Amino acid sequence: QQQVKQSPQSLIVQKGGISIINCAYENTAFDYFPWYQQFPGKGPALLIAIRPDVSEKKEGRFTISFNKSAKQFSLHIMDSQPGDSATYFCAAQDTGGFKTIFGAGTRLFVKA
Amino acid sequence: GAGVSQSPRYKVTKRGQDVALRCDPISGHVSLYWYRQALGQGPEFLTYFNYEAQQDKSGLPNDRFSAERPEGSISTLTIQRTEQRDSAMYRCASSLRTDSYEQYFGPGTRLTVT
Repeated sequence: QQQVKQSPQSLIVQKGGISIINCAYENTAFDYFPWYQQFPGKGPALLIAIRPDVSEKKEGRFTISFNKSAKQFSLHIMDSQPGDSATYFCAAQDTGGFKTIFGAGTRLFVKA
Repeated sequence: GAGVSQSPRYKVTKRGQDVALRCDPISGHVSLYWYRQALGQGPEFLTYFNYEAQQDKSGLPNDRFSAERPEGSISTLTIQRTEQRDSAMYRCASSLRTDSYEQYFGPGTRLTVT
């Protein structure tokens, strides 16, 4: 019930294309869903986050789509660039406590 | 400004030895988290503190693992009688307030137990 399942494991996209990463959760107590970006040798850094009271959030080229009834959320990277090549983690946090459950990660490679 | 710092960055130890990993959060951040990250996996929650109080330690794998934050700033994660399966990247994160969801991660300590 605490798991966050992320797919795909790896993704190769052409420059200018759309990258899509999907996550699913089970625990309905989760109320904050962040995406983190991690470059090699660095710690994860918050990219964008959403709460379950909205279905979509957009920040620049990054959009989160959230489907509360299906307990799924996804990250869309529009106009993907080689500099976006990194590992992306979805995560979920529950109300009150701040125990964060991370997905297994998606390694994105954007071909120039 | 300075981010979260961790020391040492790399630690190689022999099986059975104790190790202490240090985390220095961003100045003024009241919440502090410890994670373990295996290669190719997402961070796995270990424990977190608000100020000096350990709020949740449900992720600590067993009683060889302990953490403290005595003055509400620097934290130490201690692993006693290390085993090879303890080898991993140990990451610390901090957040500004107890109700702030955004976490800032440190560079991690790569622990190798031989």
